[in-house]
Amino acid sequence: DAGVIQSPRHEVTEMGQEVTLRCKPISGHDYLFWYRQTMMRGLELLIYFNNNVPIDDSGMPEDRFSAKMPNASFSTLKIQPSEPRDSAVYFCASTYHGELFFGEGSRLTVL
Amino acid sequence: GQQVMQIPQYQHVQEGEDFTTYCNSSTTLSNIQWYKQRPGGHPVFLIQLVKSGEVKKQKRLTFQFGEAKKNSSLHITATQTTDVGTYFCCTGANSKLTFGKGITLSVRP
Repeated sequence: DAGVIQSPRHEVTEMGQEVTLRCKPISGHDYLFWYRQTMMRGLELLIYFNNNVPIDDSGMPEDRFSAKMPNASFSTLKIQPSEPRDSAVYFCASTYHGELFFGEGSRLTVL
Repeated sequence: GQQVMQIPQYQHVQEGEDFTTYCNSSTTLSNIQWYKQRPGGHPVFLIQLVKSGEVKKQKRLTFQFGEAKKNSSLHITATQTTDVGTYFCCTGANSKLTFGKGITLSVRP
Protein backbone atom coordinates (compact mmCIF):
# COMPACT_ATOMS: atom_id res chain seq x y z
CA ASP A 1 0.00 0.00 0.00
CA ALA A 2 1.19 3.55 -0.73
CA GLY A 3 0.27 4.79 2.73
CA VAL A 4 -1.91 7.77 3.56
CA ILE A 5 -1.83 10.22 0.68
CA GLN A 6 -2.45 13.93 1.15
CA SER A 7 -2.70 16.75 -1.33
CA PRO A 8 -1.59 19.38 -1.87
CA ARG A 9 1.72 19.14 -0.05
CA HIS A 10 2.05 22.91 -0.01
CA GLU A 11 -0.57 25.60 -0.43
CA VAL A 12 -0.08 29.34 -0.33
CA THR A 13 -3.22 31.41 -0.52
CA GLU A 14 -4.54 34.80 0.34
CA MET A 15 -6.80 35.62 3.23
CA GLY A 16 -10.42 35.08 2.36
CA GLN A 17 -9.82 32.34 -0.18
CA GLU A 18 -11.27 28.86 0.11
CA VAL A 19 -8.83 26.05 0.84
CA THR A 20 -9.53 22.36 0.31
CA LEU A 21 -7.17 19.70 1.62
CA ARG A 22 -7.52 16.11 0.51
CA CYS A 23 -6.72 12.76 2.03
CA LYS A 24 -6.76 9.16 0.84
CA PRO A 25 -6.49 6.76 3.80
CA ILE A 26 -4.93 3.33 3.72
CA SER A 27 -7.30 0.80 2.23
CA GLY A 28 -9.10 -1.19 4.92
CA HIS A 29 -8.63 1.38 7.67
CA ASP A 30 -11.92 2.33 9.27
CA TYR A 31 -10.84 5.41 11.21
CA LEU A 32 -9.64 8.69 9.70
CA PHE A 33 -8.30 11.64 11.66
CA TRP A 34 -7.50 15.24 10.76
CA TYR A 35 -4.85 16.98 12.89
CA ARG A 36 -3.41 20.48 12.75
CA GLN A 37 0.17 21.14 13.86
CA THR A 38 1.61 24.49 14.88
CA MET A 39 4.58 25.45 17.04
CA MET A 40 2.36 27.06 19.62
CA ARG A 41 -0.40 24.45 19.94
CA GLY A 42 1.30 21.23 18.88
CA LEU A 43 -0.78 18.47 17.28
CA GLU A 44 -4.47 19.28 17.65
CA LEU A 45 -7.16 16.78 16.79
CA LEU A 46 -9.72 18.53 14.61
CA ILE A 47 -12.15 15.77 13.70
CA TYR A 48 -12.27 12.02 13.22
CA PHE A 49 -14.43 9.60 11.29
CA ASN A 50 -15.34 5.96 11.77
CA ASN A 51 -16.63 4.12 8.72
CA ASN A 52 -17.06 7.48 6.97
CA VAL A 53 -19.23 8.91 9.75
CA PRO A 54 -17.97 11.94 11.73
CA ILE A 55 -17.65 10.87 15.37
CA ASP A 56 -16.19 13.91 17.10
CA ASP A 57 -15.70 17.33 15.56
CA SER A 58 -15.23 19.21 18.84
CA GLY A 59 -11.72 20.18 17.80
CA MET A 60 -12.82 22.04 14.70
CA PRO A 61 -11.94 25.62 15.58
CA GLU A 62 -14.74 27.52 13.90
CA ASP A 63 -17.60 27.26 11.46
CA ARG A 64 -15.12 28.21 8.76
CA PHE A 65 -13.80 24.66 8.99
CA SER A 66 -15.68 21.68 7.60
CA ALA A 67 -14.73 18.09 6.84
CA LYS A 68 -16.38 15.36 4.82
CA MET A 69 -15.76 11.74 4.08
CA PRO A 70 -18.02 10.77 1.16
CA ASN A 71 -16.54 7.27 0.92
CA ALA A 72 -13.97 5.00 2.55
CA SER A 73 -11.15 6.16 0.32
CA PHE A 74 -11.47 9.94 0.39
CA SER A 75 -11.81 12.81 2.85
CA THR A 76 -11.61 16.58 2.57
CA LEU A 77 -10.96 19.37 5.01
CA LYS A 78 -12.22 22.74 3.84
CA ILE A 79 -11.52 26.20 5.21
CA GLN A 80 -13.75 28.98 3.95
CA PRO A 81 -12.81 31.78 4.26
CA SER A 82 -9.19 31.23 5.22
CA GLU A 83 -7.34 33.51 7.65
CA PRO A 84 -3.62 33.97 8.39
CA ARG A 85 -4.02 32.19 11.75
CA ASP A 86 -5.01 29.04 9.87
CA SER A 87 -1.42 28.72 8.66
CA ALA A 88 -0.20 25.33 9.86
CA VAL A 89 0.61 21.82 8.75
CA TYR A 90 -2.52 19.71 8.42
CA PHE A 91 -2.10 15.98 8.82
CA CYS A 92 -4.47 13.22 7.92
CA ALA A 93 -4.04 9.85 9.63
CA SER A 94 -5.83 6.53 9.41
CA THR A 95 -5.93 3.41 11.52
CA TYR A 96 -7.55 0.03 11.77
CA HIS A 97 -6.68 -1.00 15.32
CA GLY A 98 -4.96 1.83 17.18
CA GLU A 99 -1.65 2.52 15.42
CA LEU A 100 -1.97 5.79 13.49
CA PHE A 101 -0.49 6.05 10.03
CA PHE A 102 0.08 9.68 9.06
CA GLY A 103 0.25 11.25 5.66
CA GLU A 104 3.09 13.59 4.86
CA GLY A 105 0.94 16.61 5.63
CA SER A 106 -0.29 19.68 3.81
CA ARG A 107 1.58 22.85 4.70
CA LEU A 108 -0.84 25.78 4.45
CA THR A 109 0.27 29.40 4.39
CA VAL A 110 -2.42 32.08 4.39
CA LEU A 111 -1.12 35.52 3.55
CA GLY B 1 -11.22 13.39 27.19
CA GLN B 2 -7.93 11.97 28.30
CA GLN B 3 -5.01 14.40 28.19
CA VAL B 4 -1.28 13.96 28.55
CA MET B 5 1.50 16.40 29.37
CA GLN B 6 5.10 16.39 28.27
CA ILE B 7 7.57 18.71 29.96
CA PRO B 8 10.05 20.08 29.01
CA GLN B 9 9.46 20.72 25.33
CA TYR B 10 13.14 20.77 24.39
CA GLN B 11 16.19 18.87 25.49
CA HIS B 12 19.76 18.91 24.25
CA VAL B 13 22.17 16.06 24.89
CA GLN B 14 25.68 15.12 23.91
CA GLU B 15 25.95 12.15 21.59
CA GLY B 16 26.46 9.04 23.66
CA GLU B 17 24.53 10.32 26.67
CA ASP B 18 21.36 8.65 27.84
CA PHE B 19 18.02 10.46 27.53
CA THR B 20 14.77 10.00 29.40
CA THR B 21 11.49 11.78 28.93
CA TYR B 22 8.11 11.41 30.58
CA CYS B 23 4.46 11.63 29.69
CA ASN B 24 2.09 12.40 32.55
CA SER B 25 -1.62 12.43 33.17
CA SER B 26 -3.84 13.30 36.11
CA THR B 27 -6.18 10.46 35.20
CA THR B 28 -5.75 6.74 34.60
CA LEU B 29 -4.98 6.09 30.97
CA SER B 30 -6.35 3.24 28.91
CA ASN B 31 -3.21 3.10 26.80
CA ILE B 32 -0.17 5.09 25.69
CA GLN B 33 1.34 5.32 22.27
CA TRP B 34 4.65 6.93 21.38
CA TYR B 35 5.47 8.55 18.05
CA LYS B 36 8.59 10.13 16.58
CA GLN B 37 8.60 13.01 14.12
CA ARG B 38 11.81 13.86 12.30
CA PRO B 39 12.36 17.52 11.35
CA GLY B 40 10.17 18.30 8.37
CA GLY B 41 8.50 14.90 8.54
CA HIS B 42 5.35 13.34 9.87
CA PRO B 43 4.75 11.43 13.12
CA VAL B 44 5.68 7.76 12.93
CA PHE B 45 4.34 5.18 15.36
CA LEU B 46 6.91 3.65 17.71
CA ILE B 47 5.06 1.59 20.33
CA GLN B 48 1.84 1.05 22.22
CA LEU B 49 1.61 0.21 25.94
CA VAL B 50 -1.58 -1.11 27.48
CA LYS B 51 -0.80 -3.01 30.69
CA SER B 52 0.15 -1.55 34.05
CA GLY B 53 3.93 -1.63 34.50
CA GLU B 54 4.50 -2.82 30.95
CA VAL B 55 8.03 -2.44 29.57
CA LYS B 56 8.91 -2.75 25.89
CA LYS B 57 12.26 -2.35 24.19
CA GLN B 58 13.23 -1.43 20.66
CA LYS B 59 16.99 -1.57 20.27
CA ARG B 60 18.25 1.41 22.31
CA LEU B 61 14.73 2.65 23.18
CA THR B 62 12.92 1.48 26.31
CA PHE B 63 9.29 2.34 26.95
CA GLN B 64 7.48 1.90 30.23
CA PHE B 65 3.91 2.33 31.40
CA GLY B 66 3.55 3.32 35.05
CA GLU B 67 2.04 0.96 37.59
CA ALA B 68 -0.88 3.34 38.12
CA LYS B 69 -1.23 3.90 34.36
CA LYS B 70 -0.91 7.64 34.83
CA ASN B 71 2.51 8.11 33.29
CA SER B 72 4.91 6.65 30.79
CA SER B 73 8.59 7.02 30.08
CA LEU B 74 10.83 6.76 27.05
CA HIS B 75 14.50 6.08 27.66
CA ILE B 76 17.15 6.19 24.95
CA THR B 77 20.48 4.59 25.73
CA ALA B 78 23.62 6.17 24.23
CA THR B 79 21.91 8.71 22.00
CA GLN B 80 22.95 9.03 18.38
CA THR B 81 22.42 11.84 15.90
CA THR B 82 19.75 9.70 14.25
CA ASP B 83 17.65 10.06 17.42
CA VAL B 84 17.05 13.75 16.66
CA GLY B 85 13.38 14.63 16.38
CA THR B 86 10.25 15.25 18.39
CA TYR B 87 8.83 12.46 20.52
CA PHE B 88 5.12 12.53 21.23
CA CYS B 89 3.02 10.49 23.57
CA CYS B 90 -0.57 9.90 22.63
CA THR B 91 -3.57 8.43 24.38
CA GLY B 92 -7.18 7.85 23.61
CA ALA B 93 -10.50 6.60 24.80
CA ASN B 94 -13.12 5.45 22.32
CA SER B 95 -10.53 5.93 19.59
CA LYS B 96 -10.25 9.69 20.18
CA LEU B 97 -6.46 9.91 20.04
CA THR B 98 -4.91 13.07 21.46
CA PHE B 99 -1.26 14.01 21.64
CA GLY B 100 1.00 15.67 24.15
CA LYS B 101 3.01 18.72 23.04
CA GLY B 102 6.04 16.54 22.45
CA ILE B 103 9.69 16.88 23.40
CA THR B 104 12.19 17.94 20.76
CA LEU B 105 15.52 16.22 21.20
CA SER B 106 18.71 17.61 19.74
CA VAL B 107 21.95 15.65 19.86
CA ARG B 108 25.36 17.33 19.75
CA PRO B 109 27.86 15.18 17.81
